[in-house]
Amino acid sequence: QKEVEQDPGPLSVPEGAIVSLNCTYSNSAFQYFMWYRQYSRKGPELLMYTYSSGNKEDGRFTAQVDKSSKYISLFIRDSQPSDSATYLCARTSGNTGKLIFGQGTTLQVKP
Amino acid sequence: NAGVTQTPKFQVLKTGQSMTLQCAQDMNHEYMSWYRQDPGMGLRLIHYSVGAGITDQGEVPNGYNVSRSTTEDFPLRLLSAAPSQTSVYFCASSFKRAQYFGPGTRLLVL
Repeated sequence: QKEVEQDPGPLSVPEGAIVSLNCTYSNSAFQYFMWYRQYSRKGPELLMYTYSSGNKEDGRFTAQVDKSSKYISLFIRDSQPSDSATYLCARTSGNTGKLIFGQGTTLQVKP
Repeated sequence: NAGVTQTPKFQVLKTGQSMTLQCAQDMNHEYMSWYRQDPGMGLRLIHYSVGAGITDQGEVPNGYNVSRSTTEDFPLRLLSAAPSQTSVYFCASSFKRAQYFGPGTRLLVL
């Protein structure tokens, strides 16, 4: 079992839809969770990161962590064609700064 | 700040050739790392460094060497390129657990 599981998609939604992207993880140790966005042929860029359970909001993006279920989610409200990208979830591993990534979910928002 | 820079952007090698992928950051970050990204595999950690003079192996270190003589630079060396090393390589530097990635180097090994 991979340490961070993510459905690769692709996920296709109409413009304006609410998008839900999800990951599950298997390690219960102290850790932070991140969401990265990666456009085609570009490096990943950090969207959000959080530690505690609950929600963290930044504009149209909300990150949610449920540590009891080992489930992390990213919600995108009012999705735009410019949100079309691959979204990668990640968690920290120990205190070294290492990250463990999911496979990424490809999202397409159609105008 | 330029952030994390990588050179070259694209490289073609023949099997058995060696080369060095360059990575530099101007944010004074202590932690730096190298990943490779392959279709369906996500990002896999090759090597990482928690500061100048300190490096360690990640998930897929075989066939790669690193060194860290300065805070700014973290080069990745391919000792004898193999077709299995065809991939996109990303360098990242980290501040408070958030990693910032470079634009990547696309490597094709024939």
